Amino acid sequence: GAVVSQHPSRVICKSGTSVKIECRSLDFQATTMFWYRQFPKKSLMLMATSNEGSKATYEQGVEKDKFLINHASLTLSTLTVTSAHPEDSSFYICSAITGEGGNTIYFGEGSWLTVV
Amino acid sequence: QKEVEQNSGPLSVPEGAIASLNCTYSDRGSQSFFWYRQYSGKSPELIMFIYSNGDKEDGRFTAQLNKASQYVSLLIRDSQPSDSATYLCAVTGGYGNKLVFGAGTILRVKS
Repeated sequence: GAVVSQHPSRVICKSGTSVKIECRSLDFQATTMFWYRQFPKKSLMLMATSNEGSKATYEQGVEKDKFLINHASLTLSTLTVTSAHPEDSSFYICSAITGEGGNTIYFGEGSWLTVV
Repeated sequence: QKEVEQNSGPLSVPEGAIASLNCTYSDRGSQSFFWYRQYSGKSPELIMFIYSNGDKEDGRFTAQLNKASQYVSLLIRDSQPSDSATYLCAVTGGYGNKLVFGAGTILRVKS
């Protein structure tokens, strides 16, 4: 299957600072990537859809000024959590669409964010 | 009504048995159906996808799709303790290519 890589896998930051998470498609070009958040023992929650070269589409209730998404190339999307607070601590996962089998979606390894 | 529904479980099966996981979806326009496995603290990994009505087999896994009933299932034959995980059903196509997940079913395979 296709490979999607996320970095960092774990990050701890101080409250009020910003942190950037990268999502890369390693062996294919991804015009569309998705960002999810998952709290412990809860289901995945779609935050936004990231389209290369255009603004991200955010889901209802997700603050676009707090969760900045940039999809500057066909292989890289970034999520920046600005002015992070402890309640932003979560597991953030990106995914990307490939053309395999008619738009199959693969996930990155996920990034654990802890805000202290 | 939730868009994609799964029984949260846990579903407990003995080692070597068949585990049957079920999922229903609300949007008749849905076209692509996926099963992901997620171990605790890890990202989901794709097990299978299915687009056409009927069965699709891959090793110990069989996905079944019935679009008329808006129902998709995953059968795991010869279940192993390593199959113990949360299984996520996901649907796309009817929602503008967004992948909509069910809440997941916890599977426990007891040795």
